[in-house]
Amino acid sequence: SYELPQPPSVSVSPGQTASIKCSGDELKDKYVSWYQQKPGQSPVLVIFQNSQRPSGIPERFSGSNSGNTATLTISETQAVDEADYSCQVWDSGIAVFGGGTKLTVL
Amino acid sequence: QVQLQESAPGLVKPSETLSLTCAVSGGSIVTTAYHWGWIRQPPGKALEYIGSIYFNGRTYYNPSLKSRLTITIDTSKNQLSLNLSSVTAADTALYYCVRHFEFTSSSAWFDPWGQGTLITVSS
Repeated sequence: SYELPQPPSVSVSPGQTASIKCSGDELKDKYVSWYQQKPGQSPVLVIFQNSQRPSGIPERFSGSNSGNTATLTISETQAVDEADYSCQVWDSGIAVFGGGTKLTVL
Repeated sequence: QVQLQESAPGLVKPSETLSLTCAVSGGSIVTTAYHWGWIRQPPGKALEYIGSIYFNGRTYYNPSLKSRLTITIDTSKNQLSLNLSSVTAADTALYYCVRHFEFTSSSAWFDPWGQGTLITVSS
């Protein structure tokens, strides 16, 4: 089955750029989505189809996908961005999620 | 604006069947634009896709759950349901109802998500 390893944690200082990566075999051939999940809340879609941003998601969230790695980039990171971030692809008729990355803003 | 509301949280005994419903409001479940689905998250663990259903009854099931899983849609009530049989402690999780966008056979995403309901499997 397809797997999407993610680093367990990433730290960033306020105002800096955070990069959260998701790996997968020939990932460039798939479309990646990203979800933000804050403690006690449901996941929220922040990026779909590699780089598309849903309405209401701040422009500081962006995504890319190349080779075997997809990246969620958060520019000018704010304290409110502290959350778990999970990547997801659709593979052979099922959704596959990464293990999630906890973003700490300190 | 579509909202999804899962049925109340509960306790299910091992070997019994877990049953959940999701009420869809703010839009019709009968649409060619989306599927509707279920995703779960065991405490402290990653998200796991359960399955999805189209308004005409076509389903996608996670192969790891397929033998125990049934997802149905009730267009008259604008809701979908999940039945998972022979549950064990490994099925303890937050269960989320989601709207499933399928753009192509290789592109799908989920938005929005319901608030989630905690199902605990324990005797």
